[in-house]
Parts: sequence; structure tokens; C-alpha cells
Amino acid sequence: GAGVSQSPSNKVTEKGKDVELRCDPISGHTALYWYRQSLGQGLEFLIYFQGNSAPDKSGLPSDRFSAERTGGSVSTLTIQRTQQEDSAVYLCASSSGQGGTGELFFGEGSRLTVL
Amino acid sequence: AQKVTQAQTEISVVEKEDVTLDCVYETRDTTYYLFWYKQPPSGELVFLIRRNSFDEQNEISGRYSWNFQKSTSSFNFTITASQVVDSAVYFCALKRGANSKLTFGKGITLSVRP
Repeated sequence: GAGVSQSPSNKVTEKGKDVELRCDPISGHTALYWYRQSLGQGLEFLIYFQGNSAPDKSGLPSDRFSAERTGGSVSTLTIQRTQQEDSAVYLCASSSGQGGTGELFFGEGSRLTVL
Repeated sequence: AQKVTQAQTEISVVEKEDVTLDCVYETRDTTYYLFWYKQPPSGELVFLIRRNSFDEQNEISGRYSWNFQKSTSSFNFTITASQVVDSAVYFCALKRGANSKLTFGKGITLSVRP
């Protein structure tokens, strides 16, 4: 597709389970971002990948959160032992331009509900 | 460190009024990029504008205009003759330069009443 694709669009899980969220960026985009948006809140930065550089993980809220980007394309955000406070919309974005300085294109998000 | 402050949290106007959304940023970098995004009730983030730190020219796009002032570290957004479809949350964001994350402000909820 032409845009950023995220799956699943909705995920309901029980507290303590692990979840994986997937992001397929726009082809050729070197930068990939994950953000979290809780109900009625702003965008909380989680992690940033740029080309082959080491990712900026400074926004990950705990060691239960991790992310990978394989082959410079698809990324997976993993949340282990989910907690109710993890409930949010997880947004992925990608960008091009030198060092990823172009506009960010966002996916529609993955809505996570932890019961 | 970099920071984006959107002091206004909610603004309500009547259709056809002009409205200005404020954005103040903090960064020690000389090269940086500023963005505005719109998030309508549907939830999808829509890109509005990107401006680099070396270009202080104001920009107008239809009813939208942006005023970038490095002297006051501000990048304000004005909607002229607002319409109901402008109702959304508007985010200002800052990127330090290449190979860095994008930091968002907390957003301003704009409601335009008919």
C-alpha cells in the first residue's frame, strides 16, 4: 500500500499477556517512529529507528517494552506482561529525507485494551 | 533537551472567527525542524506544515497561516474564517535535526461551533 500500515487495528488482551504490534512503513522511508497516545492525551514518544543507526529507545517506559526493525523495513513493538496502564493507541510513523527530516506519515494506529 | 509548549489546551470559537494556536519551543540546536499536525475526530494525524530553522518566512496556505519567529522561539498557527471542519486537536512538534526523534506538544483542542 501507499501509506503506513499497522496491525492489528484493535487488540484486546488480558493483563499479564504479551502482545506484538506490527508496523509496515512506506517503502524507502529510512526513519520509523513509535508513539503512544492514551485517551485524550498527547503523543508520547517511544522509540525511533533511523537507517542502520542504533535506535533511540529513550522513550520506552519500562523494560517490558521493546521494538525491532528488521531489514530496515517492518517494525514490531512488543509489550511483555501487559498492564492496564498500557491501554492506548500505538501509532507508527515513517519519514524520508536526509536523516529522516521530512514530514512524518502516520499509520492509523493499533488500539490496545488490557483487561 | 528539547521541549514544545502549547499553553492553550482548549479553544472554542464560532464559525468564521479567526483563531491563533500558539506554540513555543525550546532547543539549543541551530538546525531544527518545526511541524504542525491536525488530528480530527477520526483519529488519523494529518501533516500540515514543516519549517526548518533557517527559513523564517511566514507561510500562507488558503485559510491557514504560520508565523515563525526565532527571536521568541514561537511557531504560531492561525486559521482565518474558521469552519466546523477545522474542529480537531492540533499538535506542534520539534525535531532537533537529522537522526533525532520528533517531540510533540500536548496539543490544543479546537472546537468550531456553527
